[in-house]
Amino acid sequence: ETGVTQTPRHLVMGMTNKKSLKCEQHLGHNAMYWYKQSAKKPLELMFVYNFKEQTENNSVPSRFSPECPNSSHLFLHLHTLQPEDSALYLCASSQRAGDSSYEQYFGPGTRLTVT
Amino acid sequence: GQNIDQPTEMTATEGAIVQINCTYQTSGFNGLFWYQQHAGEAPTFLSYNVLDGLEEKGRFSSFLSRSKGYSYLLLKELQMKDSASYLCAVMDSNYQLIWGAGTKLIIKP
Repeated sequence: ETGVTQTPRHLVMGMTNKKSLKCEQHLGHNAMYWYKQSAKKPLELMFVYNFKEQTENNSVPSRFSPECPNSSHLFLHLHTLQPEDSALYLCASSQRAGDSSYEQYFGPGTRLTVT
Repeated sequence: GQNIDQPTEMTATEGAIVQINCTYQTSGFNGLFWYQQHAGEAPTFLSYNVLDGLEEKGRFSSFLSRSKGYSYLLLKELQMKDSASYLCAVMDSNYQLIWGAGTKLIIKP
């Protein structure tokens, strides 16, 4: 595997379900990010981890819970979601956060539908 | 508030040149990025500008004017595979990326 991978690619869940999204990067990076992408809207940064420490939580509802067990893996745990949470969830990584000289590398995303 | 503006959609002809504009108002500036995103795929990095001027990379060039809060992405010799969304993003004083909504570029034969 190379780059940034995400599983599953598609997920349909009911509002009472609990599920997790997984992201893995094979680039030796130290920063990982979760973004939400909704149609015709800007990417919304949700969480940032730098060297396994969470450095940003952009007012994300508690029904989204991130976990970063090591620099290569990032999870997003989902529970009691709302239909408006349906979107594409993108994971990204970079050499480190807080440094403009390093671009972010994105995974293909998980298309989430909440019914 | 912080804001990135870019056109929602543009159409161009194969072989032609197209310029995608981006204007921004952010708290601080630590560089401007352009990404390309094909439908159903991950965004991929195209260019980074932090100083005023033009950066050329093959068929793609990116321009920045910090005093005007303005950038453009110039695509030459358009190919059908260039049909994609182009995302403009600015890194603010907190080193967070502020994203535009993207410009969907449609290439016609």
